[in-house]
Amino acid sequence: EAGVTQFPSHSVIEKGQTVTLRCDPISGHDNLYWYRRVMGKEIKFLLHFVKESKQDESGMPNNRFLAERTGGTYSTLKVQPAELEDSGVYFCASSHYGLAGGKNFYNEQFFGPGTRLTVL
Amino acid sequence: QKEVEQNSGPLSVPEGAIASLNCTYSDRGSQSFFWYRQYSGKSPELIMSIYSNGDKEDGRFTAQLNKASQYVSLLIRDSQPSDSATYLCAVNLFTGTASKLTFGTGTRLQVTL
Repeated sequence: EAGVTQFPSHSVIEKGQTVTLRCDPISGHDNLYWYRRVMGKEIKFLLHFVKESKQDESGMPNNRFLAERTGGTYSTLKVQPAELEDSGVYFCASSHYGLAGGKNFYNEQFFGPGTRLTVL
Repeated sequence: QKEVEQNSGPLSVPEGAIASLNCTYSDRGSQSFFWYRQYSGKSPELIMSIYSNGDKEDGRFTAQLNKASQYVSLLIRDSQPSDSATYLCAVNLFTGTASKLTFGTGTRLQVTL
């Protein structure tokens, strides 16, 4: 079974430019998440999709970030315009939408290799 | 206070010894708990999950959960040099249909020969 894949693996852009990151989740996983790790800090949640619906985007830093998941398969995360503080590693993760006691309780998330974004 | 706290280390143990990694969390509503291993420059790899109080064993790994104390730990028996990595504690908070992991900063483990 193929894991979560992300593209590109690295991206170097200038401040003010636009970058689009792509994530392909594990086949059949309805849940898709974006996380980010900036240097020296812990991995932080950005948002959660269930199929094509955004369930929680409370971690998105500001309106320069736009995530989409058309058709409920792959997802893109666009940063426009990029700022220096956007540099970091962007991880995508996916999980089953299983139910236990009526809730999505067993939420084992599997991570992709990440995209390292450098904004100069 | 951080939501998930871990000692950053490095934790150094000799080959063959038991490594003990600890994690505390602040949100009592947290429902599931995970340990990820991350090698330098790589993505987090899920190694253990635990949902109820007590111990859960899988091979050389044992996860322990104490919800009353808001404490999660990971024991690695017979530590090997290949276990040298950063171990991330992650806590899941599920609200309605949304779910997210909150991570600690990780503990760097060094297994010495």
